[in-house]
Amino acid sequence: QQQVKQSPQSLIVQKGGISIINCAYENTAFDYFPWYQQFPGKGPALLIAIRPDVSEKKEGRFTISFNKSAKQFSLHIMDSQPGDSATYFCAASGFHGSSNTGKLIFGQGTTLQVKP
Amino acid sequence: ETGVTQSPTHLIKTRGQQVTLRCSSQSGHNTVSWYQQALGQGPQFIFQYYREEENGRGNFPPRFSGLQFPNYSSELNVNALELDDSALYLCASSFAATGEGNTGELFFGEGSRLTVL
Repeated sequence: QQQVKQSPQSLIVQKGGISIINCAYENTAFDYFPWYQQFPGKGPALLIAIRPDVSEKKEGRFTISFNKSAKQFSLHIMDSQPGDSATYFCAASGFHGSSNTGKLIFGQGTTLQVKP
Repeated sequence: ETGVTQSPTHLIKTRGQQVTLRCSSQSGHNTVSWYQQALGQGPQFIFQYYREEENGRGNFPPRFSGLQFPNYSSELNVNALELDDSALYLCASSFAATGEGNTGELFFGEGSRLTVL
């Protein structure tokens, strides 16, 4: 019940295209869903995050779509650029109650390659 | 404002040895979390420290232990190293108003790459 399942494992997109990465979770107590971007040799960096009170959040070329009933959320990268080539991780956590410490449960990651 | 810094960046140990990894949290942050990232996998939560006390632990054995100091820096100690402990160890800092949860906005360091032979 603590898992976050991410797909696809790898993705190749042409420059200017749309990259879509999907995640599904099981624990209905999760109420915070961030996406992290990780370049080789670097730590993950927060890209964008959403809470379940909204169905969509957009920041620049990055959009999170959230479907609470389906327990799924996705990352859309519009106008994908070669500089977006990285590994992307979805994550989830809960924040309320003494049993939750804000720990993140990460998906397995998606390696995105944007071809010029 | 300084980011999260970790040391050492790379180290090699042999089975059975002990290792200490260090982390300086980002300025203004009071909570430190440690994650283990195996090659090709997502980070896995080890534990979190708040106000110098462990404040949540993932599915890791007791030979993984930690400390948080008054300046909010932290150490991760691993005893009796096993081959499967080879991984990138990530430290992340954040700000929590109370001990019960935080914003989840974790800021990660670049990690310490541990190889166990």
